[in-house]
Amino acid sequence: EAGVAQSPRYKIIEKRQSVAFWCNPISGHATLYWYQQILGQGPKLLIQFQNNGVVDDSQLPKDRFSAERLKGVDSTLKIQPAKLEDSAVYLCASSPPGTPIYFGEGSWLTVV
Amino acid sequence: QKEVEQDPGPLSVPEGAIVSLNCTYSNSAFQYFMWYRQYSRKGPELLMYTYSSGNKEDGRFTAQVDKSSKYISLFIRDSQPSDSATYLCAMSAYSRNNAGNMLTFGGGTRLMVKP
Repeated sequence: EAGVAQSPRYKIIEKRQSVAFWCNPISGHATLYWYQQILGQGPKLLIQFQNNGVVDDSQLPKDRFSAERLKGVDSTLKIQPAKLEDSAVYLCASSPPGTPIYFGEGSWLTVV
Repeated sequence: QKEVEQDPGPLSVPEGAIVSLNCTYSNSAFQYFMWYRQYSRKGPELLMYTYSSGNKEDGRFTAQVDKSSKYISLFIRDSQPSDSATYLCAMSAYSRNNAGNMLTFGGGTRLMVKP
């Protein structure tokens, strides 16, 4: 079974630039998550989708972050404009109904 | 106070040692408990998943949950250098509609197993 796919794996941008990350969840998983993990910390939920509807985006900085889930499958997370503190790994995860959740390899962002 | 506390380490042990990793939590609604292993530059990989209290064993790994003490543990027997990674505990509360799988993570414990 294919895992959660993410791209790009690594990205370096200057502050105030924009960046987009893409995620393809495990086939059949209705729930999709985006997490932010800062070095040395545990992952923090940014947004959770159930099919193509948003379940929770309370910790998403909406002034600069946006996310969408196309047709209830793939998802894109965008940051515009990026700040230095956005340097982190952005993890996409998916799950069937109930826990647990399965993570992708992550997209590593460095803002300089 | 964080909802889930985990000693960041690093924890350094010799090969073959028994490793004990622990998390404490404050939210009594948590019922699902997970351990993830994260290698450097990789995403977290699910190791163990338990529901409510008790023990669960899988090969060299044993997960233990004590809900009365709000304390969970992961034991690794016969530790190997390949076990060197960061171990994250995670937990969630019951959700009736199965859409509220939101996990609360500990900060992770870095483990180093030396040959």
